[in-house]
This record gives sequence, structure tokens and C-alpha cells, in this order.
Amino acid sequence: KAGVTQTPRYLIKTRGQQVTLSCSPISGHRSVSWYQQTPGQGLQFLFEYFSETQRNKGNFPGRFSGRQFSNSRSEMNVSTLELGDSALYLCASSSDSGSDTQYFGPGTRLTVL
Amino acid sequence: DQQVKQNSPSLSVQEGRISILNCDYTNSMFDYFLWYKKYPAEGPTFLISISSIKDKNEDGRFTVFLNKSAKHLSLHIVPSQPGDSAVYFCAASAKGGTSYGKLTFGQGTILTVHP
Repeated sequence: KAGVTQTPRYLIKTRGQQVTLSCSPISGHRSVSWYQQTPGQGLQFLFEYFSETQRNKGNFPGRFSGRQFSNSRSEMNVSTLELGDSALYLCASSSDSGSDTQYFGPGTRLTVL
Repeated sequence: DQQVKQNSPSLSVQEGRISILNCDYTNSMFDYFLWYKKYPAEGPTFLISISSIKDKNEDGRFTVFLNKSAKHLSLHIVPSQPGDSAVYFCAASAKGGTSYGKLTFGQGTILTVHP
């Protein structure tokens, strides 16, 4: 089975712009979770989608949003980028939410200038 | 509020010896625990997990121990190999409600295995 894929792998944006990141889960997985990794805050949960519905959201401002499509692919969007949004954004998929193991993609490295 | 803590930022071990990585948690609702290995600028790779109904789980060179009364888990790697050098993250999850799809991670421990 192919693993979780994320595109693009690297992205450079300037403050005020918006960005969309894409994630394709492992085939058959319906739950997709997003995380932000920064040196200062570590790995922080952004949100989770299951069957096109957001079921959980972390403590991030409304500038961070996402969606999931009927094929379980997911996108996350960050509007009005700030310097502090520079981070590695990770997507993970699992066969269901709860205690199932999450498998991570390679991440998208976002740099905001 | 750091609900999952890895108090050792780094660990250095000789090749062939045992590596023991530790993790403490505070949330008694956590019922599933995982260990991930991570290289810089890459996604975490799943290593091993344990449910709260067990106290030990083994997979090859990797063994995870869970002590629920102490809210402590550990990952044992035997024997350690230079290729094991990476950052190791402990993570925990709970069922349902505001826990859907959410892993809570520790800060990570950098393991260095010397040849």
C-alpha cells in the first residue's frame, strides 16, 4: 500500500498571503489529522476530519482551516500568513479515529518571509 | 499544560547495548500510547504501540512497557544500532469527544547510538 503523501514538500510565502496544503491518506483510511511542528511548540494537533466532517479542532486561530473530500483526501488552508506560521505541517491518516494508529506523511515545510 | 512529557532531551548509547527512552503522562483518559521515530524535515515513523489494557508489547528489537499506576511508559531497544539514531516521540490518545484523531506528543528524545 502506498503511504501518506503530501504536496508540496516545500513552500515559501510572504506575510499576508494564503496557502493550501494537500494530503492523500493511505488507501482505505478515512480519518485524516493535521499537525504543526515548530522548534518551540513541538508537534501540535490542528484538526481531524472523518468522512468529510471536522470532528476535532486544536487550539489554533480561525486562519487555519481544512476540508476533506469524498475520496478522503484532505486540504488545509492558512490565510493571512504570519511569520510564526513557518513550520513543518504534517498529515496523518488512520483507519478510524480514537485509538487507531496514525501514519504520517513526509510533511510540507512552509517558510513565511 | 504538558500532558505528555519526555524529560530526557537526549540519550547516548553504545552500539549493541540497550536504549531506554522514558515518557510520563498526566491525563488518566489516555488509553493508547505510541512511539514514533523521526528524522529532521521528515514525518514521524510509527514504531510500536500499546493499549492501556496491556503492560507490555514487543515487536522485534522494540519493547514498550506501560505502568498505568505511575502513568509512565518506556521504550526499550535491544540491541541498539547506529541506524536507530533519531528523535523519538512518545504520543498518547484517548477515545471519543474532543479526542477524535488527536495525538498528544511529548517533546522528543534525541537518541544517538555510537558504533
